[in-house]
Parts: sequence; C-alpha cells; structure tokens
Amino acid sequence: QKEVEQNSGPLSVPEGAIASLNCTYSDRGSQSFFWYRQYSGKSPELIMFIYSNGDKEDGRFTAQLNKASQYVSLLIRDSQPSDSATYLCAVNDFGNEKLTFGTGTRLTIIP
Amino acid sequence: DTAVSQTPKYLVTQMGNDKSIKCEQNLGHDTMYWYKQDSKKFLKIMFSYNNKELIINETVPNRFSPKSPDKAHLNLHINSLELGDSAVYFCASASGGYEQYFGPGTRLTVT
Repeated sequence: QKEVEQNSGPLSVPEGAIASLNCTYSDRGSQSFFWYRQYSGKSPELIMFIYSNGDKEDGRFTAQLNKASQYVSLLIRDSQPSDSATYLCAVNDFGNEKLTFGTGTRLTIIP
Repeated sequence: DTAVSQTPKYLVTQMGNDKSIKCEQNLGHDTMYWYKQDSKKFLKIMFSYNNKELIINETVPNRFSPKSPDKAHLNLHINSLELGDSAVYFCASASGGYEQYFGPGTRLTVT
C-alpha cells in the first residue's frame, strides 16, 4: 500500500516569511510528484510538479525532490495571506495513471 | 470557459435513493477520474477512464457505477445511498495521466 505522509498542521507563518511544506512517500518506484493547493470549499489546483531530483522554481514557489530520502518539499517565498490554504502532496509511478494523495497540510499566513 | 465542470454542485438526498453526478471536460484530455474527499479532507481516487475504457477501479462498493459515454464525459451513478456516502466528489481530467485538473466538486449530503 503506497503511502504519502504530510504534517496536517496547521502551519502558521508570518507574512513575508518562507513557508516550508514537507511530504514523504513510501514507494521507491514513485516517479512524478505534484503539489496542489486547495482553498476551503474549493477544488484542488495544481501549482507545481517535479520529476527529477533537485529544485524546480516557479515564481515564489520552489519544489524540492530527494528520491534517495523519499522526500519532496514545497517552499513558498514572500508568503502572502492569499497563500493560506491546504497544500496536498501527490505522487504517482511512471506510466501509472493513479495519483496517491497525502492528507494535506493546512497553511495559515499571519498578516 | 470552464475546463472541467460538474453538475450538480450540491446534492441533498435521503438514504436509499439513487443519484447521478455528471462531469464534462473541454481540455481534450484522454483520461478522467472520480475522487472522493471525506470530512477529514482526504482525497481518494475511485475510478479512472481512458478513452472510455475503465483503467482504475479502486475498492469502491458496487453501488457506485461510473459511465463514460465519450472521452469528454464521465458520470457517476450511486445506488441505495448511505449516510457514509456523504462527501465531496471531484471529477478530474489529465492528458497522459500526470497533471490532473479538477472540477469544482459536488457536495453530496445523505440524510
């Protein structure tokens, strides 16, 4: 049974600081890693994906992947109150249509 | 233009009834999914169709029956509704099975 683990939070971060969200996964065969943001009452929205070890940057967001440690993280620089949401980590295998989601981390940015 | 749409947005019904949820995507994607998100916000895949063919069928009661009339539509029919079926049901679509895009969700309440 594949598992994706996230700290449920809530994680509180002051406005303008860096928010760091972490995710670990159990299946070493996992190849693709995704971060979704979900506002309360809304649907998950894809914000980042990463396939290779290392860092991938997109605006204020950086995804970091370490396959040896089975660890993927999301950094949000210059955090804004609009970043307050639940962040879901998801993984799948190469060629596998199925995504396995973590339970999500609730992030609150404090003005 | 809505990329992935679902109807209805809200569904309140009594135990024992049969109901359907409809999903349509205009992204030209080949793969569509149904997810269930429970009260603890855990998002779990139920079914997936690729070009009208069922490719993922998780451990879901057979009261739930998906139907895909064409690759742009995926419907979910639920027979003999139970209290435990109350949840938010999300439809999603993807091209190649990786970056999935979610619909707005259908909040089902069974009384």
